[in-house]
Amino acid sequence: SQQGEEDPQALSIQEGENATMNCSYKTSINNLQWYRQNSGRGLVHLILIRSNEREKHSGRLRVTLDTSKKSSSLLITASRAADTASYFCATAAFDSWGKLQFGAGTQVVVTP
Amino acid sequence: DVKVTQSSRYLVKRTGEKVFLECVQDMDHENMFWYRQDPGLGLRLIYFSYDVKMKEKGDIPEGYSVSREKKERFSLILESASTNQTSMYLCASRTQGAGETQYFGPGTRLLVL
Repeated sequence: SQQGEEDPQALSIQEGENATMNCSYKTSINNLQWYRQNSGRGLVHLILIRSNEREKHSGRLRVTLDTSKKSSSLLITASRAADTASYFCATAAFDSWGKLQFGAGTQVVVTP
Repeated sequence: DVKVTQSSRYLVKRTGEKVFLECVQDMDHENMFWYRQDPGLGLRLIYFSYDVKMKEKGDIPEGYSVSREKKERFSLILESASTNQTSMYLCASRTQGAGETQYFGPGTRLLVL
């Protein structure tokens, strides 16, 4: 079953602009993770935020988590052409053996 | 660096064939996972293994089986391939413990004719 849903499904921006994508989920979570997938490749972990955290930063990435609304957002600042990829949120429930529930992803295209 | 490798990047098989997809990780991770990825559906968990010889069904196990005889290797088996199993298959591993991330292989794109 799909836990997370990303919004928008696709996003097209120019280099230097910020990209924001959102993720909503349905059930209580232990943590929420964001992954990036370049075309036809495996997923690469970007950032993890725990259920007791509200905001986290990593380089040009900023993630927020609102457990009351069951939602998260990923902000990529000053985007580059190399940020072109699909971005997935994934949630981990408590006592889930680390199993993740993925959303369908947001496809981001950054044009020079 | 963590390395997760998958035996093939691309595979073409015929309906009814038995198909083996192999995944190997070099980080002594306890947990390993097999997902399939289809457009608009994201990743769906087929099976996972929390340790050697241990396996659990994921969300879509029908038509698949798995084998984990050694810690570093996790195999996905399609007993009798069907066209609706045409997909991208991704393997992942992680070390046990709350909040640990998963490390993914490059994926195998399987086409069943």
